[in-house]
Amino acid sequence: TQLLEQSPQFLSIQEGENLTVYCNSSSVFSSLQWYRQEPGEGPVLLVTVVTGGEVKKLKRLTFQFGDARKDSSLHITAAQTGDTGLYLCLNNDMRFGAGTRLTVKP
Amino acid sequence: NAGVTQTPKFQVLKTGQSMTLQCAQDMNHEYMSWYRQDPGMGLRLIHYSVGAGITDQGEVPNGYNVSRSTTEDFPLRLLSAAPSQTSVYFCASGNQPQHFGDGTRLSIL
Repeated sequence: TQLLEQSPQFLSIQEGENLTVYCNSSSVFSSLQWYRQEPGEGPVLLVTVVTGGEVKKLKRLTFQFGDARKDSSLHITAAQTGDTGLYLCLNNDMRFGAGTRLTVKP
Repeated sequence: NAGVTQTPKFQVLKTGQSMTLQCAQDMNHEYMSWYRQDPGMGLRLIHYSVGAGITDQGEVPNGYNVSRSTTEDFPLRLLSAAPSQTSVYFCASGNQPQHFGDGTRLSIL
């Protein structure tokens, strides 16, 4: 079983700031997915990364997959209040990390 | 376009009672799964199914049963509810990506 560690667990920032959250494992993934979950709803897919070193951009969100495919990061530029939510990573073994709870204050 | 529908949205049970959480999808996905989400622990996989008639255990299967008689439906059964099963339960359909329902909030008293 591939265990996923997400950091930080909680993050509170002001609107307009940049941030990075991480998803790490001691095992190699064949793929990794990032989801965002808002209160009272199920997680919604943001991106899937499959290739070591891959970088994907989704508007202000930049996702990186480590060269060794053991880690991934999500960087948000100029955070907005609408980015508030729980950010989860999911490995190809269908195991989630515990998530990073992001709060963006106006 | 319903996607994944979970019922009920909320439920309160007494210890020892049984109940079934319903999950239906209209996307013709073979893969379906059930997760529970507890504070600070993310989502943990309970059971999953790769197609009708096929189910398998996830990380935390004890106390739960599933069946998959059709592609569309994947019910989760609690045989004898315990307070430790108080949680939010999510059903998902598909695996790349997974599409989630809005969850069932279950409280066991």
